[in-house]
Amino acid sequence: AQKITQTQPGMFVQEKEAVTLDCTYDTSDPSYGLFWYKQPSSGEMIFLIYQGSYDQQNATEGRYSLNFQKARKSANLVISASQLGDSAMYFCAMREGRSSASKIIFGSGTRLSIRP
Amino acid sequence: NAGVTQTPKFQVLKTGQSMTLQCAQDMNHNSMYWYRQDPGMGLRLIYYSASEGTTDKGEVPNGYNVSRLNKREFSLRLESAAPSQTSVYFCASSSRGREEKLFFGSGTQLSVL
Repeated sequence: AQKITQTQPGMFVQEKEAVTLDCTYDTSDPSYGLFWYKQPSSGEMIFLIYQGSYDQQNATEGRYSLNFQKARKSANLVISASQLGDSAMYFCAMREGRSSASKIIFGSGTRLSIRP
Repeated sequence: NAGVTQTPKFQVLKTGQSMTLQCAQDMNHNSMYWYRQDPGMGLRLIYYSASEGTTDKGEVPNGYNVSRLNKREFSLRLESAAPSQTSVYFCASSSRGREEKLFFGSGTQLSVL
């Protein structure tokens, strides 16, 4: 069964520093996809980045990059030069399997707080 | 672009009442999902639908039913609401391919008294 684990319930980071949010996953399917979402206090779910299991390079989207270590089954989110607006909940998610019938499950999240 | 539209945004029910949460997407996506999010927690998958006419159980399906009415619409029904179903409910649809992404509705805040 697929599983997503985020071991950091909360983190405090100084503004302008880089931050890494941890995510490990467990699946026996060689085809899967990994997502990161941001949820600010307003409650909306904001897509950040996606990594497919067969992608050769780590995904990047602006200040966000995904440190994909397949052998270790980890998909950590790296935010460079953090900003006050980055304070939010961050969720890692996984789709297991290639089929469009695959479900997508989420980790428990990490609350990131940026200090000025 | 409307994206994923959920109604209602807020609802208060008494224990034992029933209601249906509506969800529609205009992006021609095949896959749609219903999640619940309890305070301070992650999203848990209730049901999902890979295509019109098909639905599958997720992580926490008990107490819920769903209907994939057509490609656009995916509704969630609580037949007999319980206080444990107090939560924020999110509907989502997903694109596939190189730019895979899950698009979310704005959520429904449901309180069961």
